[in-house]
Amino acid sequence: SQQGEEDPQALSIQEGENATMNCSYKTSINNLQWYRQNSGRGLVHLILIRSNEREKHSGRLRVTLDTSKKSSSLLITASRAADTASYFCAPTYSGYSTLTFGKGTMLLVSP
Amino acid sequence: DARVTQTPRHKVTEMGQEVTMRCQPILGHNTVFWYRQTMMQGLELLAYFRNRAPLDDSGMPKDRFSAEMPDATLATLKIQPSEPRDSAVYFCATTRDTSYEQYFGPGTRLTVT
Repeated sequence: SQQGEEDPQALSIQEGENATMNCSYKTSINNLQWYRQNSGRGLVHLILIRSNEREKHSGRLRVTLDTSKKSSSLLITASRAADTASYFCAPTYSGYSTLTFGKGTMLLVSP
Repeated sequence: DARVTQTPRHKVTEMGQEVTMRCQPILGHNTVFWYRQTMMQGLELLAYFRNRAPLDDSGMPKDRFSAEMPDATLATLKIQPSEPRDSAVYFCATTRDTSYEQYFGPGTRLTVT
């Protein structure tokens, strides 16, 4: 399977706390992307990390990539109610233009 | 603010009727993807085009679904005849040829009764 597997399936935290979600994949990748989907809306690209990068930041987002373990993590710091959404990882592979999405992690941030 | 547009946003139709969904890619994006999302199956890739040519439609039920790009500013997904199991949200996403980042439209929520 080319899809990433997100873990946990659901995560519930309070505003101000950090949220960490993980992604595992099966074979060597070119890069890995994270997307967010608010309820009833299309996916929004958050960040892309290349296979030769170990960590990347974007605002309150921090993504790490461990190619030896074939895993990535997305950390959202100081979460807000507006971060409530589903989060998907999408590994991309050499020679492939398509993305395969898993079930995602559903994050609920309570005020 | 460049966005992918999809019409209609909502569609309710009866079984057996034809349904056409439309997508306008972001200007300059030459790769278009069609996805379907349901609670049970999640997000599935149905078909994709590059430079208006279909590259892969293996995820699409061939007997009732068809996808086309009449021109660079319009992609269509058609279901004929529609069935209740086609009820889902259909997303279009576009990207530049050399970019992996996909830009998603707001989706068409289809209900077939």
